[in-house]
Amino acid sequence: RKEVEQDPGPFNVPEGATVAFNCTYSNSASQSFFWYRQDCRKEPKLLMSVYSSGNEDGRFTAQLNRASQYISLLIRDSKLSDSATYLCVPAGENTGFQKLVFGTGTRLLVSP
Amino acid sequence: DAGVTQSPTHLIKTRGQQVTLRCSPKSGHDTVSWYQQALGQGPQFIFQYYEEEERQRGNFPDRFSGHQFPNYSSELNVNALWLGDSALYLCASSSDRTQETQYFGPGTRLLVL
Repeated sequence: RKEVEQDPGPFNVPEGATVAFNCTYSNSASQSFFWYRQDCRKEPKLLMSVYSSGNEDGRFTAQLNRASQYISLLIRDSKLSDSATYLCVPAGENTGFQKLVFGTGTRLLVSP
Repeated sequence: DAGVTQSPTHLIKTRGQQVTLRCSPKSGHDTVSWYQQALGQGPQFIFQYYEEEERQRGNFPDRFSGHQFPNYSSELNVNALWLGDSALYLCASSSDRTQETQYFGPGTRLLVL
């Protein structure tokens, strides 16, 4: 089993739609979780951090299910600018000195 | 406050050559990690430097080596390049003293012909 598994997509949605991505991880010792956003040919940028059961930031909500070892990202009222690849990263307690293990990412395309 | 910077932005080499990529961490960060991202894949961890020493390493051959300088900047060296080394090379910096996650530089896009 891969350490991190994501549906590569692409998810094609119209503007204004709600879309959700799931990510499963194999390391049950993971303590913190991150969603990064990566635009085409750019570096990953931190979108959200998840330390407990979930986190909400505006249109974005991340949910964590430790028992089933998956995290999800929900995007409400999709914008054209949300088109990107979303990378899921489970990590340990101190991510500063740990290697980050990325999934392949889920590609989102928001159309007018 | 400058973020993570990398140089060069793009590079073209031929098989068998050697390449050196450079990274300056975000102000206040002392740890530098390097990742390789092939097309269509997520970033793969190469190694991490802290206090001028390699602290941990991913599943990459010895052709990949690195260095960290006293000012925390870092270099990634790849010897005997082959076609499969073509990728986006990302540097990420972080602080050993905090629980912040790692912040990425813009990357160096390497093409090996």
